[in-house]
Amino acid sequence: SQQGEEDPQALSIQEGENATMNCSYKTSINNLQWYRQNSGRGLVHLILIRSNEREKHSGRLRVTLDTSKKSSSLLITASRAADTASYFCATGGMVGSYIPTFGRGTSLIVHP
Amino acid sequence: DAGVIQSPRHEVTEMGQEVTLRCKPISGHDYLFWYRQTMMRGLELLIYFNNNVPIDDSGMPEDRFSAKMPNASFSTLKIQPSEPRDSAVYFCASTGNRDQPQHFGDGTRLSIL
Repeated sequence: SQQGEEDPQALSIQEGENATMNCSYKTSINNLQWYRQNSGRGLVHLILIRSNEREKHSGRLRVTLDTSKKSSSLLITASRAADTASYFCATGGMVGSYIPTFGRGTSLIVHP
Repeated sequence: DAGVIQSPRHEVTEMGQEVTLRCKPISGHDYLFWYRQTMMRGLELLIYFNNNVPIDDSGMPEDRFSAKMPNASFSTLKIQPSEPRDSAVYFCASTGNRDQPQHFGDGTRLSIL
């Protein structure tokens, strides 16, 4: 399976601190996507990083991709209470199904 | 852009009843996905359509589950008969390209008593 696996499963930090979540996968990918899910809502796309990219930024979000280690990280800088949510990575395969498959997510709690 | 619209938002019904979940994708999106989310199994892809045609239904758990997409703006996921283990949040998502970001609805929280 090329399903991404997020680590840690849960993360609790104080407002203002940085939050780092990791995603590992097993086979070659075309791209990797990060999503966020607020309680009781659907997933919302954050960032897509292609296999030939190493780093991407969007506001307070920074995503890195290391294809040699088959891993990605999502960094949220200067976290806010509103960042409290679950974060998922989704890997899109190069061979066979291009449909992204989702991991089980990291639950982030940011305390005000 | 209205986003992906799902109905109902909540459904509570008794075991054995037929359940129909509905989804309206974003206009112009050629791909539509149905997912199920539970604490135990996470987010599971049940089935996806391309241009209204089912492409991969290998994630559909049993014959009790069926999905249709009669036109580009509407899809249904039906469970008949329903069982307590079907209780979950069911999401619909759409996208214009299969490996591009998906747009999710807010889900249907289904409880089978």
